[in-house]
Amino acid sequence: DQQVKQNSPSLSVQEGRISILNCDYTNSMFDYFLWYKKYPAEGPTFLISISSIKDKNEDGRFTVFLNKSAKHLSLHIVPSQPGDSAVYFCAASPNAGNNRKLIWGLGTSLAVNP
Amino acid sequence: DAMVIQNPRYQVTQFGKPVTLSCSQTLNHNVMYWYQQKSSQAPKLLFHYYDKDFNNEADTPDNFQSRRPNTSFCFLDIRSPGLGDAAMYLCATSRQAGGRYPDTQYFGPGTRLTVL
Repeated sequence: DQQVKQNSPSLSVQEGRISILNCDYTNSMFDYFLWYKKYPAEGPTFLISISSIKDKNEDGRFTVFLNKSAKHLSLHIVPSQPGDSAVYFCAASPNAGNNRKLIWGLGTSLAVNP
Repeated sequence: DAMVIQNPRYQVTQFGKPVTLSCSQTLNHNVMYWYQQKSSQAPKLLFHYYDKDFNNEADTPDNFQSRRPNTSFCFLDIRSPGLGDAAMYLCATSRQAGGRYPDTQYFGPGTRLTVL
């Protein structure tokens, strides 16, 4: 049972436009959310995170929005660049004391076309 | 550059033949993780070490074992690989576990395991 869902397996966007990647979660105990980016033949790399006390976190071209009531977060990339083409994983962590395990989504493959 | 290194990048083994995957880190992080990732699936945590304390996930098969002889190195041993164990194995590290929020996990490039 997927507690973190990325319902779009793939997304294709034109260079310079906005990419919006979505993530939904079911567990209300999750209070910290992360986005990782993965290129083929490489391990995931951390991109951006947000805690549940915020509704927005921005880092350069990357912004994550959190809607706790809807249990939904999204990653916005503006403007999108061809180098952003990768698989993006959403991950969540429950507020469970020392057990800070990450729960991962299945990923969304983003293709940014020149 | 500080990093997480996994060797080998590609490993081929035969059904039932033990195999060991290695991970080393120069980040001096307390925590090391092993994940299994199959095609089009999320990374699945197998176990992690907080310093020398081993933490096994409840659903990790006994076929998978791990060793951490020192801070820098961690090994994944698959005692009798089956066809279903073919996957990408990812090693990750983080500074510490148990804080208010999880520390960022830094991943190695992974080892692609093929079982014949």
